[in-house]
Amino acid sequence: SYELTQPPSVSVSPGQTASITCSGDKLGDKYAFWYQQRPGQSPLLVIYQDTKRPSGIPERFSGSNSGNTATLTISGTQAMDEADYYCQAWDSSTAVFGGGTKLTVL
Amino acid sequence: EVQLVESGGGLVQPGGSLRLSCAASGFTFSSYWMSWVRQAPGKGLEWVANIKQDGSEKYYVDFVKGRFTISRDNAKNSLYLQMNSLRAEDTAVYYCARVGTVATIYYYNYYMDVWGKGTTVTVSS
Repeated sequence: SYELTQPPSVSVSPGQTASITCSGDKLGDKYAFWYQQRPGQSPLLVIYQDTKRPSGIPERFSGSNSGNTATLTISGTQAMDEADYYCQAWDSSTAVFGGGTKLTVL
Repeated sequence: EVQLVESGGGLVQPGGSLRLSCAASGFTFSSYWMSWVRQAPGKGLEWVANIKQDGSEKYYVDFVKGRFTISRDNAKNSLYLQMNSLRAEDTAVYYCARVGTVATIYYYNYYMDVWGKGTTVTVSS
């Protein structure tokens, strides 16, 4: 079965750029999707189709996907961006999530 | 406002059954695939099942096949998850989600663009 691997945690200082990676076999041949989940809340779609932002998602969120790695980048990170982030792809009629990355804004 | 409201969660004994419901509003329910995703306590997201707009296609994760059934009633703008033979490891918050689709030249990709607040299922004796 297909697997997506994320680092368990990433730390960033306020105002700096955070990068969260998601690795999977030939992930670049698929589309990657990213979700933010703040503590006690439901997940929120922040990036779809590798690079697109849903309405209402700040421009500081961006995405890329090539080779075996998709990356979520948060520029000018704010305290409110502290959350768990999950990548997701669709493979063989199955939605696959990465294990999640806890972003800490120090 | 697009809204998804889950209900039906609760405490059930191992081997028991439960039916979850999701009431949709603020969008044309019959035009969208829908999905159930779960999250065990302190764990990550885990996709459970998808259902096509007219219910003619359904996809399940392997570990629920034969035990869970996803269904919908477009006249009632409602999504359901019938869960049978429940196990302790099915304990989780269950989210209802609206599904977006993106096509490649090979197949459709599905993702969750709107989520409900979830309903909690606890399987314990």
